Amino acid sequence: EPEVTQTPSHQVTQMGQEVILRCVPISNHLYFYWYRQILGQKVEFLVSFYNNEISEKSEIFDDQFSVERPDGSNFTLKIRSTKLEDSAMYFCASSARQGARTEAFFGQGTRLTVV
Amino acid sequence: AQTVTQSQPEMSVQEAETVTLSCTYDTSESDYYLFWYKQPPSRQMILVIRQEAYKQQNATENRFSVNFQKAAKSFSLKISDSQLGDAAMYFCAYLGAAGNKLTFGGGTRVLVKP
Repeated sequence: EPEVTQTPSHQVTQMGQEVILRCVPISNHLYFYWYRQILGQKVEFLVSFYNNEISEKSEIFDDQFSVERPDGSNFTLKIRSTKLEDSAMYFCASSARQGARTEAFFGQGTRLTVV
Repeated sequence: AQTVTQSQPEMSVQEAETVTLSCTYDTSESDYYLFWYKQPPSRQMILVIRQEAYKQQNATENRFSVNFQKAAKSFSLKISDSQLGDAAMYFCAYLGAAGNKLTFGGGTRVLVKP
């Protein structure tokens, strides 16, 4: 069964460092998403991406964040200068189409710890 | 902006019994979709069940069923014949008709006692 794959599963980084979280969406999917879950809190939408551009982003997704699909298969989330409050679980998701008639498949998440 | 509220931080159920998780939401849209996701200790998000707002019939997936009350903006999940593998965090989520992002509730932890 196809699945969304995220690497690494756990990343520890120093405050102020850049970090790149990687995702391989399901191959025929066209819509890609990043969500964040701070420990003990709800899952929050960060950004959606379609046709090589951001289609929507939340207030959380400020200039420190960027996304790209560098090679047609990977979908990355970059945090330029990490802060302690960026520590969270980051989930990538993809869907074949927009809307609820197609399921969004989630990856297993990357746990980011900023120290 | 849409909001989703899950008022029960934790629910406990005996194996083989039934548990109901509550979810309320706030929206001004008339067309939308609602979901329940399961997050086991592995932290992966797994879709359990979905409901389209224009459908009056409540969705059912095996032991999982929902009670969708559109006027009350309520969307509860019933887990029947609870199994040990049902132990997880359960998140209620809202998706507008534009279908671009999910809004999640705060989650309910389900504990299943053998």
